[in-house]
Amino acid sequence: NAGVTQTPKFQVLKTGQSMTLQCAQDMNHEYMSWYRQDPGMGLRLIHYSVGAGITDQGEVPNGYNVSRSTTEDFPLRLLSAAPSQTSVYFCASSPGTGGWETQYFGPGTRLLVL
Amino acid sequence: AQTVTQSQPEMSVQEAETVTLSCTYDTSESDYYLFWYKQPPSRQMILVIRQEAYKQQNATENRFSVNFQKAAKSFSLKISDSQLGDAAMYFCAYRVDTGNQFYFGTGTSLTVIP
Repeated sequence: NAGVTQTPKFQVLKTGQSMTLQCAQDMNHEYMSWYRQDPGMGLRLIHYSVGAGITDQGEVPNGYNVSRSTTEDFPLRLLSAAPSQTSVYFCASSPGTGGWETQYFGPGTRLLVL
Repeated sequence: AQTVTQSQPEMSVQEAETVTLSCTYDTSESDYYLFWYKQPPSRQMILVIRQEAYKQQNATENRFSVNFQKAAKSFSLKISDSQLGDAAMYFCAYRVDTGNQFYFGTGTSLTVIP
């Protein structure tokens, strides 16, 4: 199993550009989520999904869209990038939605918005 | 709102010694789970240990153990016989049993001195 994969590893955008961060998992996990990590802020939840066709907002959803058309994929879209979205983005998945379920993280995508 | 606080931005420990990282959390829930994640320089998030709130016994995983004080809402991580490979950022996290969101602290950067 490849686990959780993310592409690209690093991206530079100009303000106003759009892009999609890709996330895929091959473990047949129900739950997938996106976090952003900023210095001194820890990880903050952007959006999550409890199954194909079901998504919901996390703590910091503004400026981001998600969809979950398959169990495997959970892309994160930035419609109009802003410098405040410069961050490291992590995708994670877990087998189910029970509280005990731990999350498996991807390697992260570093995004720089100029 | 659930919050997780790590009051030690940085810690250091001599190789082979013991170090304790602090974490407190705020919640009105009775059923929840607590986690410690390690993030080495590679940025990959790795689960270290987890604890169910309904269990009084503290969790242990080899050299890693926790001191869980439910009444005080405290969840500290003890690393015994510290090794150079333990150097990393450590994040405390919280999840409600019926909830879909993880809440992370801001992290503690651990340096291991040879």
